[in-house]
Amino acid sequence: AQKVTQAQTEISVVEKEDVTLDCVYETRDTTYYLFWYKQPPSGELVFLIRRNSFDEQNEISGRYSWNFQKSTSSFNFTITASQVVDSAVYFCAFTPAARQLTFGSGTQLTVLP
Amino acid sequence: GAGVSQSPSNKVTEKGKDVELRCDPISGHTALYWYRQSLGQGLEFLIYFQGNSAPDKSGLPSDRFSAERTGGSVSTLTIQRTQQEDSAVYLCASSSLIRGPATRPTTDTQYFGPGTRLTVL
Repeated sequence: AQKVTQAQTEISVVEKEDVTLDCVYETRDTTYYLFWYKQPPSGELVFLIRRNSFDEQNEISGRYSWNFQKSTSSFNFTITASQVVDSAVYFCAFTPAARQLTFGSGTQLTVLP
Repeated sequence: GAGVSQSPSNKVTEKGKDVELRCDPISGHTALYWYRQSLGQGLEFLIYFQGNSAPDKSGLPSDRFSAERTGGSVSTLTIQRTQQEDSAVYLCASSSLIRGPATRPTTDTQYFGPGTRLTVL
């Protein structure tokens, strides 16, 4: 069975600090997909990124970057120069195919002004 | 275009009553998912519809829960004889079907609606 672990329950940083959210997954599948979603206080889950297991290239999008390390089964998410609007719960998720997602327990990020 | 919509946004009901929650997926999306988010259990999968295939009901917690998808579009999640433990936010997601090369399984991104907050008194 698949499992996604987000060990950091809550993180608090001061605005403009960099912050990394950790995600570790367990699977026996050789092909799978990893996702990050953001859930702001409004409650809606907002898609951030999808990464395929056969593509280990890291990705940067503005202040966001993702580090996929297949050797350590990790898919970490870094926010550079954090802003108050980044405050949200962030979920890492996994699927071995186009099926249901298995979510981690989420990390509550609070960015203080 | 329009995203996934859900109604009602909030539902308060009494224990033992039946409730229906509605999801309107993104136009053209063939896959539709229901999840539940509660404080103690996090985000849990409930049921999955893909085109005309039989739905994957493996996540439904009891036979009080059922769902249907009419015309390959709108879906209704029904909870019969609601219990207090059914209180949660019910999230719907939809996705298109992207077929990769023969050596790779299909992949898609699920886009979520705003959810329905269900409170059972």
